[in-house]
Amino acid sequence: GENVEQHPSTLSVQEGDSAVIKCTYSDSASNYFPWYKQELGKRPQLIIDIRSNVGEKKDQRIAVTLNKTAKHFSLHITETQPEDSAVYFCAAFLNSGYALNFGKGTSLLVTP
Amino acid sequence: DSGVTQTPKHLITATGQRVTLRCSPRSGDLSVYWYQQSLDQGLQFLIQYYNGEERAKGNILERFSAQQFPDLHSELNLSSLELGDSALYFCASSVSGETDTQYFGPGTRLTVL
Repeated sequence: GENVEQHPSTLSVQEGDSAVIKCTYSDSASNYFPWYKQELGKRPQLIIDIRSNVGEKKDQRIAVTLNKTAKHFSLHITETQPEDSAVYFCAAFLNSGYALNFGKGTSLLVTP
Repeated sequence: DSGVTQTPKHLITATGQRVTLRCSPRSGDLSVYWYQQSLDQGLQFLIQYYNGEERAKGNILERFSAQQFPDLHSELNLSSLELGDSALYFCASSVSGETDTQYFGPGTRLTVL
């Protein structure tokens, strides 16, 4: 199956700084890459996703970049706020469907 | 609220027992996925159903089984429970069951004592 490596496992930034989380995948046929945010004890919530036909997508303070040649994609959060503190998961979705393979998660802490 | 519902929220049971977890997908979604989340294994895909039929299997143990009913709700059955089965079990749903967005339910926390 698809292997998704995610780094770093923990990230601590000061409020207002930027945070970057990186993921790599192994299958070049992968064509859909979502990012989920999970607060403690809550469900994973989709925050942004990107498909293989674009290299970057932005939604307010959140952006995702995709490098298909290098097989990696990254989440960028600018002007971080304490409420951004959570675990972030990247995932890869094989071209053939059918399930998400998740990275191990990044625990982001934004300190005031 | 993603529109996906799961019951019960919490379940405490003993080793060797059997439990059933229930999931109702978002209105209009035909596909249901089950995931297990434990501290050491992260989010692991178990099984997927699409319009009543099994579509894909992941790391699902033989002691576990699932089905999707004609009204599209799904149940995950866990039997001969072991301490290591304690985890959060999430259901997700999507429209087509292929490369579209999956929306997660609130999860069922299973504790096996």
